[in-house]
Amino acid sequence: NAGVTQTPKFQVLKTGQSMTLQCAQDMNHNSMYWYRQDPGMGLRLIYYSASEGTTDKGEVPNGYNVSRLNKREFSLRLESAAPSQTSVYFCASRVQGLATEAFFGQGTRLTVV
Amino acid sequence: LAKTTQPISMDSYEGQEVNITCSHNNIATNDYITWYQQFPSQGPRFIIQGYKTKVTNEVASLFIPADRKSSTLSLPRVSLSDTAVYYCLVGDGRNTGFQKLVFGTGTRLLVSP
Repeated sequence: NAGVTQTPKFQVLKTGQSMTLQCAQDMNHNSMYWYRQDPGMGLRLIYYSASEGTTDKGEVPNGYNVSRLNKREFSLRLESAAPSQTSVYFCASRVQGLATEAFFGQGTRLTVV
Repeated sequence: LAKTTQPISMDSYEGQEVNITCSHNNIATNDYITWYQQFPSQGPRFIIQGYKTKVTNEVASLFIPADRKSSTLSLPRVSLSDTAVYYCLVGDGRNTGFQKLVFGTGTRLLVSP
């Protein structure tokens, strides 16, 4: 009954370092999403994957890359971290359809110093 | 993409009914209206979804007028644990199963004793 699992939960990076945030869902969902949430703000869509093998840019894709490794996993990579990328990152998944709900992970709190 | 407009914040007291209205003037014919709740340090959680008229579940009611240009989330008899941010989302007008799920800024509800 895991749902959407994100790893790691916390991470501190130095400016210029790279890292990959992992997301896996066990609900056989087609669509997956990555969001960032800055303090006191709403969620902003970074990238999404409508189905396995496809990815597309959201509202704020600059500085990020994604990989839809298989139907279960959708990773987010920061190639050269910047302090402006300090945020909480959420992954979500959803069955395709006009009236379905999205399920979110617990988030990864990333600090870039 | 149908943009939504919500009040930035609302205050209430325990035991009161809270109504949060969302404006979505450009909603498309096939778009559903979905509300999510987010507690601090957690990912959003689905509350309720509807297409027209009224929908009720164990948590809330959703009222949608005939023109569908707005919707109202109603929380009966709120408690301190209902303090959260509430997001209203509508579809992005696609007549397909995939939806981008773009969040707005949400409504920050504070419930006081």
